[in-house]
Amino acid sequence: TQLLEQSPQFLSIQEGENLTVYCNSSSVFSSLQWYRQEPGEGPVLLVTVVTGGEVKKLKRLTFQFGDARKDSSLHITAAQPGDTGLYLCAGGGAGNNRKLIWGLGTSLAVNP
Amino acid sequence: NAGVMQNPRHLVRRRGQEARLRCSPMKGHSHVYWYRQLPEEGLKFMVYLQKENIIDESGMPKERFSAEFPKEGPSILRIQQVVRGDSAAYFCASSPLLQGEDMNTEAFFGQGTRLTVV
Repeated sequence: TQLLEQSPQFLSIQEGENLTVYCNSSSVFSSLQWYRQEPGEGPVLLVTVVTGGEVKKLKRLTFQFGDARKDSSLHITAAQPGDTGLYLCAGGGAGNNRKLIWGLGTSLAVNP
Repeated sequence: NAGVMQNPRHLVRRRGQEARLRCSPMKGHSHVYWYRQLPEEGLKFMVYLQKENIIDESGMPKERFSAEFPKEGPSILRIQQVVRGDSAAYFCASSPLLQGEDMNTEAFFGQGTRLTVV
């Protein structure tokens, strides 16, 4: 069974701090997505990484896919209260195996 | 440019009733996925459909649950004879048809239907 483990589970920081959250698996994925979910809403796609070693930047967010395509990290620089939310990673297969395997998420609180 | 539309947003059913959850994918998307989310378990895949075709239903309970994506109209997730354990948030996602070996499973989600069984 493919599993994605996210760490830390909870993170509470002050505005302006930097942080990194992790998504690890023993399985190889053809792609990995990061989503952010707010209470009462659906997950919102932030980024997709597909190539081992790939790094993508989205404003203050930096996403990295591990060389072996088994793990990923999300780094936020100078966090703001608007970054508060549940950050989810999801691994995808290829071909007809298009279902996503999800981690349980990192719940981030950025305090002003 | 409407996103994935789910309705209703909230649904309350008594035990034994039927629940019907609807999902209209993003314009141009031909793939629909249903996921269930429970607070301590995260998102779990249920079923993957294309128009008039179930591709993967490996996450669907064998009984009481069914899904369809007809040629016309929204995708429907149907739960018969609901029980308290069916209470959860049900999310629909859609993705476009991708060609080639490097196609990935990027999906866009609706706001969900929160089912409460009383």
